[in-house]
Amino acid sequence: GNSVTQMEGPVTLSEEAFLTINCTYTATGYPSLFWYVQYPGEGLQLLLKATKADDKGSNKGFEATYRKETTSFHLEKGSVQVSDSAVYFCALIIIQGAQKLVFGQGTRLTINP
Amino acid sequence: DAGVTQSPTHLIKTRGQQVTLRCSPKSGHDTVSWYQQALGQGPQFIFQYYEEEERQRGNFPDRFSGHQFPNYSSELNVNALLLGDSALYLCASSLGGASGSGQFFGPGTRLTVL
Repeated sequence: GNSVTQMEGPVTLSEEAFLTINCTYTATGYPSLFWYVQYPGEGLQLLLKATKADDKGSNKGFEATYRKETTSFHLEKGSVQVSDSAVYFCALIIIQGAQKLVFGQGTRLTINP
Repeated sequence: DAGVTQSPTHLIKTRGQQVTLRCSPKSGHDTVSWYQQALGQGPQFIFQYYEEEERQRGNFPDRFSGHQFPNYSSELNVNALLLGDSALYLCASSLGGASGSGQFFGPGTRLTVL
């Protein structure tokens, strides 16, 4: 089946620290990969995406590279800010199959000033 | 340009009751998906509507049903509510049934079952 596994949280960092949130996936087809962010009390916002192997998605200083050989899509940011505190979800979708997003369990990130 | 809207924002029901949640997709989108997000978990796919038909369903019982209207808005109905149905219900919209470009989410409806 299709599944997404994220690193266990919560993660607490100081402002300007380097961030990595690990994400690995299992898929029966050729997935597109996504990172969504959920701020307190809000719905999900699409942060970035990659649709094929070796693609790099980027947005707001965040980056993630689609690694088919390691089935990974790790989220990185060079210098985090307090405003980045949120829950981050890695997700996949199989275009040729079920048109549904499969999410990881989420990683809560807290940035301290 | 309005994004995805959902109503109501919050809802409190008791066990055994029925509930209807509503969603209007982002302008230009014709596909609506519904997800259930339990506290501390990732969203779980309930079903997707495209061209007023349910085209894909997740692992949810028949108590969960839906509808899509000609204007692409959608409703999620849950019958015979259980305590375990308490969750944030998210609606997401996309274009043309293909979600490779990502789905856009509404703010959600928080359902509490007492």
